[in-house]
Amino acid sequence: AQSVTQLDSHVSVSEGTPVLLRCNYSSSYSPSLFWYVQHPNKGLQLLLKYTSAATLVKGINGFEAEFKKSETSFHLTKPSAHMSDAAEYFCVVTYYNQGGKLIFGQGTELSVKP
Amino acid sequence: DTEVTQTPKHLVMGMTNKKSLKCEQHMGHRAMYWYKQKAKKPPELMFVYSYEKLSINESVPSRFSPECPNSSLLNLHLHALQPEDSALYLCASSLEAFSYNEQFFGPGTRLTVL
Repeated sequence: AQSVTQLDSHVSVSEGTPVLLRCNYSSSYSPSLFWYVQHPNKGLQLLLKYTSAATLVKGINGFEAEFKKSETSFHLTKPSAHMSDAAEYFCVVTYYNQGGKLIFGQGTELSVKP
Repeated sequence: DTEVTQTPKHLVMGMTNKKSLKCEQHMGHRAMYWYKQKAKKPPELMFVYSYEKLSINESVPSRFSPECPNSSLLNLHLHALQPEDSALYLCASSLEAFSYNEQFFGPGTRLTVL
């Protein structure tokens, strides 16, 4: 079965330090991969997406992710955390002809300390 | 216009009430979705509409009744809900359903069933 694993349920960083949120997917098919962010009591906002073009994907607010097929990973990084980055982050995968079904990871809560 | 709007923001209803949630997008998207999200969990897909026709129902109880009056609007009619139905209900849209397209989410309706 296709699945997405976010390796950390909670990550805590200090403001100004790098952020790394880890995501692995499992499938034999070519996926599209996304990272979404959800601030408390808000909807999900798309940070970035990978759809088989460049393996290093740049997103909004300074985030980027690298698709590594050999490792089936799609980790999210940011060089310098800001207080406003504190939120829940979801790694998401979808496959062609799946009727729009998104497969969500369980989420990683990012805390940013002053 | 690149957003999905949802009304109301908050809804409190008794188990015998009938209410409706509304979702609207003007991005020309032909796929629209309803999700249910419980606290600290990823969204769970409920329904998918493609070209105004219901294409996926994820075995949702009949007390939830979706409706797509036109390509821009999506409703979710609620009747005889249970307290465990209390959750954040998210609407999303994408260009097409059976593709790699990302989904754009609305801010959600926070539903409380008493």
